[in-house]
Amino acid sequence: NAGVTQTPKFQVLKTGQSMTLQCAQDMNHNSMYWYRQDPGMGLRLIYYSASEGTTDKGEVPNGYNVSRLNKREFSLRLESAAPSQTSVYFCASRPHGLKYGYTFGSGTRLTVV
Amino acid sequence: LAKTTQPISMDSYEGQEVNITCSHNNIATNDYITWYQQFPSQGPRFIIQGYKTKVTNEVASLFIPADRKSSTLSLPRVSLSDTAVYYCLVGDYGNNRLAFGKGNQVVVIP
Repeated sequence: NAGVTQTPKFQVLKTGQSMTLQCAQDMNHNSMYWYRQDPGMGLRLIYYSASEGTTDKGEVPNGYNVSRLNKREFSLRLESAAPSQTSVYFCASRPHGLKYGYTFGSGTRLTVV
Repeated sequence: LAKTTQPISMDSYEGQEVNITCSHNNIATNDYITWYQQFPSQGPRFIIQGYKTKVTNEVASLFIPADRKSSTLSLPRVSLSDTAVYYCLVGDYGNNRLAFGKGNQVVVIP
């Protein structure tokens, strides 16, 4: 099925460990996004990529890095995980144009102990 | 960026029509109004989008008054499966920095 695929679905890390969250979309969308969702906080934008080859910071970028590997893939890396990064991470994509909405993946639940 | 204000939560009985409001007083000329639905352990899902007046699709209607400072999402005859968090998102997607608020938790009661 067409959509946004995130891996892994669940992950437990120890403080200081690193990992990369993977995201891929097969809808030929130009823009891709990483959000985190914490209880009672709604979704907050971490990084986004408006087009292949570009990335920009969102609302809460500290502690994260991203790579737009190609048009389909946008990865999020935690270099040194901290307990404050325990959250659910969502990847999203959308086509070019002012009025088009997001398509979200099913999320990665990350726990840092 | 247009800031949105929604009630935190609301309950409704199964079979009733549910109207969910969103205030966005500083909406800009190029901004669209989009509603998303999120179930537990899932990503938000696009429901409906509009610019002005009324928009209807197979699942919902969106009412936007002439001044566009608010909008109302209407869900006809809700069922238990409509229990979810509903987000109102206002902005020009061209700036790529749209912010989701905390949403409105809707609970459908049997």
